[in-house]
Amino acid sequence: GAGVSQSPSNKVTEKGKDVELRCDPISGHTALYWYRQSLGQGLEFLIYFQGNSAPDKSGLPSDRFSAERTGGSVSTLTIQRTQQEDSAVYLCASSFGQGGEKLFFGSGTQLSVL
Amino acid sequence: GESVGLHLPTLSVQEGDNSIINCAYSNSASDYFIWYKQESGKGPQFIIDIRSNMDKRQGQRVTVLLNKTVKHLSLQIAATQPGDSAVYFCAENIRGYQKVTFGIGTKLQVIP
Repeated sequence: GAGVSQSPSNKVTEKGKDVELRCDPISGHTALYWYRQSLGQGLEFLIYFQGNSAPDKSGLPSDRFSAERTGGSVSTLTIQRTQQEDSAVYLCASSFGQGGEKLFFGSGTQLSVL
Repeated sequence: GESVGLHLPTLSVQEGDNSIINCAYSNSASDYFIWYKQESGKGPQFIIDIRSNMDKRQGQRVTVLLNKTVKHLSLQIAATQPGDSAVYFCAENIRGYQKVTFGIGTKLQVIP
């Protein structure tokens, strides 16, 4: 596609439910990143993928969070047993994966946990 | 996590004036720096970048300055326009490593 695509754009869920957030990176980009942005705050790194591997998972807040990437393309971020503090915008970005390069971001998924 | 628990600083500038947004980066080993602009409801967009072997880089109406001695980065916007209103983030990266770390961000408000 022309840019990074994220779905859904908005997700409202009840506390305790599981959610899946999807990211379609730019074709040909081998690196994929997930960030979390709480209201009025900066970007919190969650995880990144190089191909299908995740060399750095250090930003995942708890074991309720997991992510996978298949075929070197689409990635899914899963949050189990959602809590109200999980409410945020989840941003995905991709790049060519060579390091020292700019990231291309999607518009994010706004997650609201009631 | 990074940048948690703090509210974004805000810079208010009159339309037509120059804006200067500052950023202190954390890792002395970082050798690539990027400025992003984030408009409401959108993801961050690349503005300009600079590598550690440079002190200054200019783009269209924007200039980035790098001071490695004090680990400081700044973004200068000339003749600020209402469309420049957004949140601006600096980001740092170490060559050979994929992880990109973002600063807290600064909200720029342009007064017409």
